[in-house]
Amino acid sequence: DTGVSQNPRHKITKRGQNVTFRCDPISEHNRLYWYRQTLGQGPEFLTYFQNEAQLEKSRLLSDRFSAERPKGSFSTLEIQRTEQGDSAMYLCASSSGQGEQFFGPGTRLTVL
Amino acid sequence: GQQLNQSPQSMFIQEGEDVSMNCTSSSIFNTWLWYKQDPGEGPVLLIALYKAGELTSNGRLTAQFGITRKDSFLNISASIPSDVGIYFCAGQLVQGGSEKLVFGKGTKLTVNP
Repeated sequence: DTGVSQNPRHKITKRGQNVTFRCDPISEHNRLYWYRQTLGQGPEFLTYFQNEAQLEKSRLLSDRFSAERPKGSFSTLEIQRTEQGDSAMYLCASSSGQGEQFFGPGTRLTVL
Repeated sequence: GQQLNQSPQSMFIQEGEDVSMNCTSSSIFNTWLWYKQDPGEGPVLLIALYKAGELTSNGRLTAQFGITRKDSFLNISASIPSDVGIYFCAGQLVQGGSEKLVFGKGTKLTVNP
């Protein structure tokens, strides 16, 4: 029984570069969520998919951010023209729709 | 927007002591979740609560969904060193297609052996 996996676990990039993160949810879960967590804070919601449909986006998700879940399985989160303020832990969670959301280990992004 | 007030912000206790932490909100939720997070890792789900007044246990952990739907607490009994970590409450209001979780800022627990 595998949980949610995320790759890479760590990413260091220079300001202005594009980065892409991948999330593989628990296999039978049709819902997938992205959150962002900065130091000393709880996770903040970014966006949510049910199957391949993106159903909700936070205003935190600026136009430099895009998320996809093309086949309703794995998802990618891309950040274009990264800024230092994008440095954070990016967390993915999945759910079968019963309320519980199960998180992956996260991708730690550092923008220099 | 929705905010959760989680307290205390940090706790320093001796091994074997009981711990209590709580979360309050200005908004109602229909689900409360409690997570534990270790440094550099994602949050791990501890307990999920779905009904107002519900009291649920998971080993040494007990959590309750407040009757007003605006609060929840988590108790840990007979703490052990591996209980160290940051505990987060999260509320969910499934409404209008939204399923997002709103998190508190966490309670950092330190257990002295």
